[in-house]
Amino acid sequence: DAGVTQSPTHLIKTRGQQVTLRCSPKSGHDTVSWYQQALGQGPQFIFQYYEEEERQRGNFPDRFSGHQFPNYSSELNVNALLLGDSALYLCASSPKTGWETQYFGPGTRLLVL
Amino acid sequence: AQRVTQPEKLLSVFKGAPVELKCNYSYSGSPELFWYVQYSRQRLQLLLRHISRESIKGFTADLNKGETSFHLKKPFAQEEDSAMYYCAQRADAGGTSYGKLTFGQGTILTVHP
Repeated sequence: DAGVTQSPTHLIKTRGQQVTLRCSPKSGHDTVSWYQQALGQGPQFIFQYYEEEERQRGNFPDRFSGHQFPNYSSELNVNALLLGDSALYLCASSPKTGWETQYFGPGTRLLVL
Repeated sequence: AQRVTQPEKLLSVFKGAPVELKCNYSYSGSPELFWYVQYSRQRLQLLLRHISRESIKGFTADLNKGETSFHLKKPFAQEEDSAMYYCAQRADAGGTSYGKLTFGQGTILTVHP
């Protein structure tokens, strides 16, 4: 089991563009959470997906949206990119309801120019 | 709002010395507390969670509800303990936070030979 995988590893975009990040959860996990980690900061919760629905959302604008597929993989979409969206985006998966330990992926580093 | 505070951004000790990484939380209920570690060029991984009361790699952490603290301790630091450490909390089942983790800003621990 490769654990949680994320793609791409790095991405460069310009302001105003849109980006899609992808996450495949650890085998046996059905819950996916997304976090944004700005440089020098701890991860901040964006939202969590379970049974293909957004179950909870952090303090992020509607420009941040997501999706979960029947195979439990997930996408994070960010529209109208701002310079401040530059960060490491982490995906975490967990089994059942998300109360179990969350396992993190390696992250996607997004740079907005 | 939940908040996790790690007052030290940097902590340096010598090999064999005791180490304590401080963490304070703000949630008034019964939170679940975690320590995550990120070694150089590796993904974020769980070090320990307070409900399991395990000692991982010689680290322990005690939840002090009176002081709202969850400090991480190790009696004899090793060079391989050098890493970024994050304290995180998750609200209890009485809340609606499901699996959301709230992280502190992290402490970089450097263990000198």
